Amino acid sequence: GDSVTQMEGPVTLSEEACLTINCTYTATGYPSLFWYVQYPGEGLQLLLKATKADDKGSNKGFEATYRKETTSFHLEKGSVQVSDSAVYFCALSPTQGGSEKLVFGKGMKLTVNP
Amino acid sequence: EAQVTQNPRYLITVTGKKLTVTCSQNMNHEYMSWYRQDPGLGLRQIYYSMNVEVTDKGDVPEGYKVSRKEKRNFPLILESPSPNQTSLYFCASSLYGVGEETQYFGPGTRLLVL
Repeated sequence: GDSVTQMEGPVTLSEEACLTINCTYTATGYPSLFWYVQYPGEGLQLLLKATKADDKGSNKGFEATYRKETTSFHLEKGSVQVSDSAVYFCALSPTQGGSEKLVFGKGMKLTVNP
Repeated sequence: EAQVTQNPRYLITVTGKKLTVTCSQNMNHEYMSWYRQDPGLGLRQIYYSMNVEVTDKGDVPEGYKVSRKEKRNFPLILESPSPNQTSLYFCASSLYGVGEETQYFGPGTRLLVL
């Protein structure tokens, strides 16, 4: 079935460090891909998304490119801030089988220290 | 303000005592869904609803019930809670479904079943 595999961490970085969170997926067809972020004590919110191959999603300095050839959607940021401390989830939306759910990775907790 | 609300935010109960977690959205969304979040497992879908009076099972529906009598509300019912239902629960909604759409999540309900 459809699945998402992502780095689980936890990861601790210093402010202004570079961040890459790897995400790969297994799916039939051409799913839409998402990164959701969960700040402490809050629900998930969409960070960015890409709906077809080679699309690049971007928001708040974060970027991810939909790579069909490597079935990947890695999240990157060039310079992290303390306010980026959160749990990051990679997710996909299946396109076949009549499923109406997001398939999530297990999440990665990021802590950014000043 | 567009939002998904859940109540209660925190709940401690005992095995077998029926409880309901409410979810309400003010965005006129047709699609609503319940997830549970457990350490090391990420988010898993419990039930979803494509519209009023239309509900369907997700990946982990055992021990849960839902109803969708009004578009804005989607309560989650645990008729006889057990300790393995101790978890963090999230309600989500979107305009028509999953697909390419952004899901809007509530703030979460942390449930402890003793």
